[in-house]
Amino acid sequence: AQSVAQPEDQVNVAEGNPLTVKCTYSVSGNPYLFWYVQYPNRGLQFLLKYITGDNLVKGSYGFEAEFNKSQTSFHLKKPSALVSDSALYFCATRGGGNKLTFGTGTQLKVEL
Amino acid sequence: EADIYQTPRYLVIGTGKKITLECSQTMGHDKMYWYQQDPGMELHLIHYSYGVNSTEKGDLSSESTVSRIRTEHFPLTLESARPSHTSQYLCASSWGDNQPQHFGDGTRLSIL
Repeated sequence: AQSVAQPEDQVNVAEGNPLTVKCTYSVSGNPYLFWYVQYPNRGLQFLLKYITGDNLVKGSYGFEAEFNKSQTSFHLKKPSALVSDSALYFCATRGGGNKLTFGTGTQLKVEL
Repeated sequence: EADIYQTPRYLVIGTGKKITLECSQTMGHDKMYWYQQDPGMELHLIHYSYGVNSTEKGDLSSESTVSRIRTEHFPLTLESARPSHTSQYLCASSWGDNQPQHFGDGTRLSIL
């Protein structure tokens, strides 16, 4: 079975500092990994995906993610956090039929 | 922004009522999905469709039913609402495999 784990319920970071939101995966075969963001009272917005190729994936709003096969991780990063980045972040892996299995989510809080 | 719409956004209704949550997309996507999400929590797939006249149950058992008579429309129905159905319901759609899912803003359902 495909699964992802987000070990941190909440991450706090000061504005301007780099941020990392962690995700590890457990899949059979090649991993297909996604990051989504959810703002209050909204649906999920796609940030980036890893299918194959470069281990560093660039996405929307200045976010990037680093795929690490040996550590089975796919951490989301941003060099300089903004207060407006405060939201709920979900890692997901794709199964058959393009169905997604989501992690439990990490609440990111960026403070001034 | 993706063109996927859910109505109503909020619904408060009494026990025993029949409810239909609407979801429409204008992107011509074949694949559509319904997720259930308690506030701030992970998403659980409850129904999906690969195209017209195709519907399948998801990973989380649900008393709801769905239909897919037209490509753009994927309504979810609860025949007799109960307080245990109180949750947020998110609809999504996508192209083929490995393509990101696009989400609507959800319906927040509260059954009294």
